[in-house]
Amino acid sequence: GQSLEQPSEVTAVEGAIVQINCTYQTSGFYGLSWYQQHDGGAPTFLSYNALDGLEETGRFSSFLSRSDSYGYLLLQELQMKDSASYFCAVMNRDDKIIFGKGTRLHILP
Amino acid sequence: DAMVIQNPRYQVTQFGKPVTLSCSQTLNHNVMYWYQQKSSQAPKLLFHYYDKDFNNEADTPDNFQSRRPNTSFCFLDIRSPGLGDAAMYLCATSRDMTTVYEQYFGPGTRLTVT
Repeated sequence: GQSLEQPSEVTAVEGAIVQINCTYQTSGFYGLSWYQQHDGGAPTFLSYNALDGLEETGRFSSFLSRSDSYGYLLLQELQMKDSASYFCAVMNRDDKIIFGKGTRLHILP
Repeated sequence: DAMVIQNPRYQVTQFGKPVTLSCSQTLNHNVMYWYQQKSSQAPKLLFHYYDKDFNNEADTPDNFQSRRPNTSFCFLDIRSPGLGDAAMYLCATSRDMTTVYEQYFGPGTRLTVT
């Protein structure tokens, strides 16, 4: 079978840095995506890692370690608008993505 | 702007009364997906089309059907909605099967079953 684990909630302070972890178990792994979803909104694609290492896109970075079946999303200089749910999703050889249960990020002023 | 559009945004139907949700896209993407998302849960894939090739998830109830009459449009039919089918239904697209990891979502249709 396949499974993804990520924390259900994370709290951080405005201006700080937060890391959201994701561990996965799947067969035929191709890569790991991250999506952001605000309350009542649609998921929005943030990043994709197929190879080990860190990918940076502005304030957001994503990391993958294939040997550890582990990845994380790093958000820097947190802003109140970053309050949302963040989903990791694995792409495997079935040519579809499976979403984790999501991490709700709370940001305190 | 190229986008994924879903209509209606909110749909109320009665228990057992068929309902159709619609999705259109101006991205000219080959792949279209339907997801069901319940409160505080992950989106759950119901089925997807690669062009006209329909792919049903093994655990998608027979109560759910889909049609894709052309590249731009896709429909979700719920033949006999039950109370457990109340959810947000999300339509998404990807350019092709090599870019499945990057999906573009519509705003969703929130279905209420009374």
